[in-house]
Amino acid sequence: GAGVSQSPRYKVAKRGQDVALRCDPISGHVSLFWYQQALGQGPEFLTYFQNEAQLDKSGLPSDRFFAERPEGSVSTLKIQRTQQEDSAVYLCASGWTRYNEQFFGPGTRLTVL
Amino acid sequence: TQLLEQSPQFLSIQEGENLTVYCNSSSVFSSLQWYRQEPGEGPVLLVTVVTGGEVKKLKRLTFQFGDARKDSSLHITAAQPGDTGLYLCAGHYGGSQGNLIFGKGTKLSVKP
Repeated sequence: GAGVSQSPRYKVAKRGQDVALRCDPISGHVSLFWYQQALGQGPEFLTYFQNEAQLDKSGLPSDRFFAERPEGSVSTLKIQRTQQEDSAVYLCASGWTRYNEQFFGPGTRLTVL
Repeated sequence: TQLLEQSPQFLSIQEGENLTVYCNSSSVFSSLQWYRQEPGEGPVLLVTVVTGGEVKKLKRLTFQFGDARKDSSLHITAAQPGDTGLYLCAGHYGGSQGNLIFGKGTKLSVKP
């Protein structure tokens, strides 16, 4: 039973390093979302894809954050020149449409030292 | 300012007790969802409510959407240790441009 998978599960980066976080959505799901969940907070929207098109990136906190989904399936969230405030769990979710149920992956916990 | 305010933030109870957690907003939501998140995992959808006044039951869990679609509650009867987790409410509203807005969550601990 293939749910949403994310890798790596844990990532430690030194401040200033670039990181890439991968999301494998449920096969056939058109919609894909990235969220950032800081400690003690609920998830906050980062960006949304419909197939390979990035339709909404209003939640990306800075131009150091970049996401892609080139073939409409696997997605990568890249963070350049990481800062300590980037430390959080990054969640990926997929679904059939933007408004239907979203299925979440386990997240990648990023720690920036 | 948090668009969806959840209360209480933390709740620690004994097995067998009843509890209610709340999700409130000053904005009208077209739908509200409740999720449960366990440590190291992503949120898992419990229920979606869409109609004002709607009540949905899921075994020992009862969810209610306020008449004005600005608030919701989750009531758990006879809580069990397996209910332990972070309960998140989330919803779509007119200003969210289709994006799901989450509250901060209620962290529930049920002790045996």
